[in-house]
Amino acid sequence: ETGVTQTPRHLVMGMTNKKSLKCEQHLGHNAMYWYKQSAKKPLELMFVYNFKEQTENNSVPSRFSPECPNSSHLFLHLHTLQPEDSALYLCASSQRLGLAGGRLREQYFGPGTRLTVT
Amino acid sequence: AQTVTQSQPEMSVQEAETVTLSCTYDTSESNYYLFWYKQPPSRQMILVIRQEAYKQQNATENRFSVNFQKAAKSFSLKISDSQLGDTAMYFCALLQARQLTFGSGTQLTVLP
Repeated sequence: ETGVTQTPRHLVMGMTNKKSLKCEQHLGHNAMYWYKQSAKKPLELMFVYNFKEQTENNSVPSRFSPECPNSSHLFLHLHTLQPEDSALYLCASSQRLGLAGGRLREQYFGPGTRLTVT
Repeated sequence: AQTVTQSQPEMSVQEAETVTLSCTYDTSESNYYLFWYKQPPSRQMILVIRQEAYKQQNATENRFSVNFQKAAKSFSLKISDSQLGDTAMYFCALLQARQLTFGSGTQLTVLP
């Protein structure tokens, strides 16, 4: 496998279900991200992990719970979702996020998981 | 706060012709990066081209080039010799500090 992979590619779940999205990067990166892409809206950054530490949580509801066990894997645990949570969820990775004055790096994206909440 | 604006929701171009996609942004930082990403119907987000704000020279990648106007905070993408495979949603993005902010996208259709 190369690049950033995401599983599953499609997921349909009821509002009472619990499911998890998985992301794996094979690029040797240290930072990983979850984005939400809804129809006719810009990509929304949800979470950022830098060296396995969560550094950003953009006011995401607690029904979304991220987990980053190591720098290559990122999970998004889902529970009691709402129909408006239906969207494409994209994972991305990059080299380490710089400290002040550090080098910034472009992000590489996975193919996404199309989530439908019924 | 940083913002990215793409004012053209949809554009079309004839195959082999040239098209320019517009993007403006707003930031108070002096150190940042700008990107154009392409998202074809497969939904895979693909990096097309990047520009460092401290570089005056416009970036080029084969048929893709940018016109970076730092003072005007403008970052347009020019696609030369358009191909059918260029049909996609194109996103302009601004990376500063720890956040990547995307514009709303421009749907480009290349017509045969």
